[in-house]
Amino acid sequence: AQSVTQPDIHITVSEGASLELRCNYSYGATPYLFWYVQSPGQGLQLLLKYFSGDTLVQGIKGFEAEFKRSQSSFNLRKPSVHWSDAAEYFCAVGAWGGSQGNLIFGKGTKLSVKP
Amino acid sequence: DVKVTQSSRYLVKRTGEKVFLECVQDMDHENMFWYRQDPGLGLRLIYFSYDVKMKEKGDIPEGYSVSREKKERFSLILESASTNQTSMYLCASSQTGRDPEAFFGQGTRLTVV
Repeated sequence: AQSVTQPDIHITVSEGASLELRCNYSYGATPYLFWYVQSPGQGLQLLLKYFSGDTLVQGIKGFEAEFKRSQSSFNLRKPSVHWSDAAEYFCAVGAWGGSQGNLIFGKGTKLSVKP
Repeated sequence: DVKVTQSSRYLVKRTGEKVFLECVQDMDHENMFWYRQDPGLGLRLIYFSYDVKMKEKGDIPEGYSVSREKKERFSLILESASTNQTSMYLCASSQTGRDPEAFFGQGTRLTVV
């Protein structure tokens, strides 16, 4: 069965420091992978997605993610964190039942940013 | 821009009430979803619909039903609200095809007292 694991429930980084959020997936075929961000009390916004091609994917707000098939990972990175990046981050894999697709989400990683 | 609109940001209902959560999308997407979000549990799929009048159970359908009479609208119904249904509810839509990217509404925070 498809699944997504985000091993870190909560991460705290200092403003200006680099960030890496981990994501591991289980999927039988080449996955479609996503990172979403959720600010408090809001819906989810897409940061970036990977379907095929270059394994390093650029997203919005200066985020990037790297797909590593051998490690079944899709880690999210940012070189310099800003206070406004404090939010909850969700990794997701696209799954198909018949011809319809839906997303399977990890449990999320909450990011806190220290001044 | 794709827009997914949920009718209420905050709702407070009493135990036993019938509750309707409404969701409308404006991009002619075939697929629509209802998720429930609880701390530490992430997003869990309640129901989804891939066409008008079609519905499929997700991971946690018990205590919920859905209605999709028009392509743009997907309603979640709590037949008899209970306190354990206090949660954040998120609606999403996506198009049919190989790209399952989902677009989300802003969420409805439901409190059942």
